[in-house]
Amino acid sequence: EVQLLESGGDLVQPGGSLRLSCAASGFTFSSYAMSWVRQAPGKGLEWLSTITGAGDSTYYADSVKGRFTISRDNSKNTLFLQMNSLRAEDTAVYYCAKDAIPGVTTGTRSDYWGQGTLVTVSS
Amino acid sequence: DIQMTQSPSTLSASVGDRVTITCRASQSISSWLAWYQQKPGKAPKLLIYKASSLESGVPSRFSGSESGTEFTLTISTLQPDDFATYHCQQYKSYPLTFGGGTKVEIK
Repeated sequence: EVQLLESGGDLVQPGGSLRLSCAASGFTFSSYAMSWVRQAPGKGLEWLSTITGAGDSTYYADSVKGRFTISRDNSKNTLFLQMNSLRAEDTAVYYCAKDAIPGVTTGTRSDYWGQGTLVTVSS
Repeated sequence: DIQMTQSPSTLSASVGDRVTITCRASQSISSWLAWYQQKPGKAPKLLIYKASSLESGVPSRFSGSESGTEFTLTISTLQPDDFATYHCQQYKSYPLTFGGGTKVEIK
């Protein structure tokens, strides 16, 4: 059974940093690209970033480029999102999501999502 | 970037109704479109991919179609479990983009 479990969400001050983790199980983690998607309170979904299975390519939304860094540790089946220079508008539930097709590097749908972790940026 | 415009933002319907939600892409995305269902406090769930392919385990009352850059999610006979928010997503190219969502409410 595929499981994705996010952690690391917290209350942080503007300008601060946070590192989110997503522990994966139930599939061959290194074969699948993984993404982070967020949802601000009462708003829609916003794709943030995707990393290929091997970790050799990354893609970012303009809203987080230069501030957030996606990475993965395939030996530990874990996905990360390092978030720096946090702003109030980064307040959201952050989801990790698994690509549906192994080996795709051009983007595809996500067939499994974690339960989300809440990041609140406020002084 | 490809913009996805979803309508309506809210839809009031009754059990048994036929429901249609539309998503329009700002440029051609071929059939690279997915639909997700999301319930309050829960993660999105994949319903449809490649515009009209039903994800495994999803009831057949859900269907997707396309006409050019306009995509439609149809629920043929609305069930109590279907009251939720629906999101479209294009995955033709990065940045991946979602529509604004459609909340299906009880009439």
